[in-house]
Amino acid sequence: NAGVTQTPKFQVLKTGQSMTLQCAQDMNHEYMSWYRQDPGMGLRLIHYSVGAGITDQGEVPNGYNVSRSTTEDFPLRLLSAAPSQTSVYFCASSTGTGGTGELFFGEGSRLTVL
Amino acid sequence: AQSVTQLGSHVSVSEGALVLLRCNYSSSVPPYLFWYVQYPNQGLQLLLKYTSAATLVKGINGFEAEFKKSETSFHLTKPSAHMSDAAEYFCAVSGYTGFQKLVFGTGTRLLVSP
Repeated sequence: NAGVTQTPKFQVLKTGQSMTLQCAQDMNHEYMSWYRQDPGMGLRLIHYSVGAGITDQGEVPNGYNVSRSTTEDFPLRLLSAAPSQTSVYFCASSTGTGGTGELFFGEGSRLTVL
Repeated sequence: AQSVTQLGSHVSVSEGALVLLRCNYSSSVPPYLFWYVQYPNQGLQLLLKYTSAATLVKGINGFEAEFKKSETSFHLTKPSAHMSDAAEYFCAVSGYTGFQKLVFGTGTRLLVSP
């Protein structure tokens, strides 16, 4: 019963480097999303997808790219990492249209940008 | 549009005392409401949810919340705190028109002392 799986769990980058955070879900959920969690700010939506081939921006999309080529996978790409992107990133999925919006979360990826 | 306000970034209680975590919401459509819990270094897991059925909702680990439309509130309570309840709690709202996105509050950290 894997649910939502995120890799890596920890990553240290230097400013300007690029990387991809991986997210996969095995629940056949339409909706997938990426949040970042920062102290005192709760969870803020970065990007989301309502199905394969469809993505849209959330509240804080700058500096991040996403794609959704399959129902299962939703990678988050940092093109040129900045210290402001130091955060904990969560991938989440839900059933989408017709559901309640209840999200199922991965365990998070802690990113530090030096 | 939906938003959530959680009053108090930290709440301290003694073991065995009542737990009360406050959440007020704003929604332009009838809401779905959620409480999530996050234990240290883990992802978020669902405690309970309101989906327009009973206004008093019971969740896991003895927690419950009451939906009060007149007060636009969805406060989380537990009659007797346990040390294992120490965690961060997030209130979230979505609206049941078409596709829903979850909007989170900034979180309340619950501290439980012996």
